[in-house]
Amino acid sequence: EAQVTQNPRYLITVTGKKLTVTCSQNMNHEYMSWYRQDPGLGLRQIYYSMNVEVTDKGDVPEGYKVSRKEKRNFPLILESPSPNQTSLYFCASSLTADTQYFGPGTRLTVL
Amino acid sequence: KNQVEQSPQSLIILEGKNCTLQCNYTVSPFSNLRWYKQDTGRGPVSLTIMTFSENTKSNGRYTATLDADTKQSSLHITASQLSDSASYICVVSATTGGGNKLTFGTGTQLKVEL
Repeated sequence: EAQVTQNPRYLITVTGKKLTVTCSQNMNHEYMSWYRQDPGLGLRQIYYSMNVEVTDKGDVPEGYKVSRKEKRNFPLILESPSPNQTSLYFCASSLTADTQYFGPGTRLTVL
Repeated sequence: KNQVEQSPQSLIILEGKNCTLQCNYTVSPFSNLRWYKQDTGRGPVSLTIMTFSENTKSNGRYTATLDADTKQSSLHITASQLSDSASYICVVSATTGGGNKLTFGTGTQLKVEL
């Protein structure tokens, strides 16, 4: 089944404790992206990747890192999480930047 | 600045009724417009996509329209069902030198009641 998977689905952590949210797709898509979704603000792009070893900042990249060492994986790294990064995170993939398939989401709470 | 505005912010209708959601955008240069449905706790799922030359696109009980001149789009839901309760997000794509850039609306929260 074609899908985008994210892990973990739910995470509660404390300020400053490094964490990684994994994202994997099995559709051989070149384009992958991370978003955060906050009430009243909609989806905002954090980082995106056009292909392996190619990443670029989205609209809200501060406090986040990504890597794209393999085509199928695009992990999101929070080196030192802060409470303002409490949010719902979505990974998405697509053949182009338009037709995006979203993962199920990761709800992160930073205390 | 590229922007996408959706209205209403929220809507409650009775099962079986029709409704129309609105999307106004100021995105340039326009590439395409897509409507997504997002169920609570899930990722968005694409419903329709329209390019500049398309006025109407249907997907079952969902019909999207696009007026590229006035930069407006609507999503019409016919004979609503309880399962239509979700957030509906309008996304407009702009063509840039580095590829297409997406601008997301904040969504319309639809609740269908018995």
